[in-house]
Amino acid sequence: QLVESGGGLVQPGGSLRLSCAASGFTFSDHYMDWVRQAPGKGLEWVGRIRLKANSYTTDYAASVKGRFTVSRDDSKNSLYLQMNSLKTDDTAVYYCARIATPKGGGQYDPWGQGTLVTVSS
Amino acid sequence: IVMTQSPDSLALSLGERATINCKSSQSVLSRSNNKNYLAWYQQKPGQPPKVLISWASTRESGVPDRFSGSGSGTDFTLTISSLQTEDVAVYYCQQNYDTVYTFGQGTKLEIK
Repeated sequence: QLVESGGGLVQPGGSLRLSCAASGFTFSDHYMDWVRQAPGKGLEWVGRIRLKANSYTTDYAASVKGRFTVSRDDSKNSLYLQMNSLKTDDTAVYYCARIATPKGGGQYDPWGQGTLVTVSS
Repeated sequence: IVMTQSPDSLALSLGERATINCKSSQSVLSRSNNKNYLAWYQQKPGQPPKVLISWASTRESGVPDRFSGSGSGTDFTLTISSLQTEDVAVYYCQQNYDTVYTFGQGTKLEIK
């Protein structure tokens, strides 16, 4: 199970940190992603963090690179998304998602329920 | 990799067969393990997506057998053999071959 928190209303240029609490599986064995969905729109991959064995390497969508940072704390079974320099286009429901295959790629399962981030003045 | 679904929307009667197509701009078939890195998701209003099909044709546990996936390389299909009321949703294909996972634009399925 994945449970996100930390969403809310923020002004353009502001910052927000999202959290995702994992349970029911060995968190440290799985790559974890953030995916977002703007209101009434489709799904957009945001970023990924790999494992300790991969030096916790990260990748980001071009639209957020340099502004967003994905991190994890395996001791707390938690995933984070630090969002800085927020723009109105970042308004979306943000989902955390587990890449199902341990230590590798493949489909998302499960997804969190999502947390809404609204960037507006 | 760009994923393109067709149609954008679909309205069918209960019991009818639904077919949703997905085309990738490059092959998502891995030559090393002969697997297609293609998944199908179902999203109902107010809910997160739920995986239905992985590796192009493997039905996930608990998914009704009226859902099936087929295709290889760049062309894929999700088929619902007999449409039920609870199948009303938006369906997305996703390639998980490249580092940057990408989704199709979605197909909205409604009951006529």
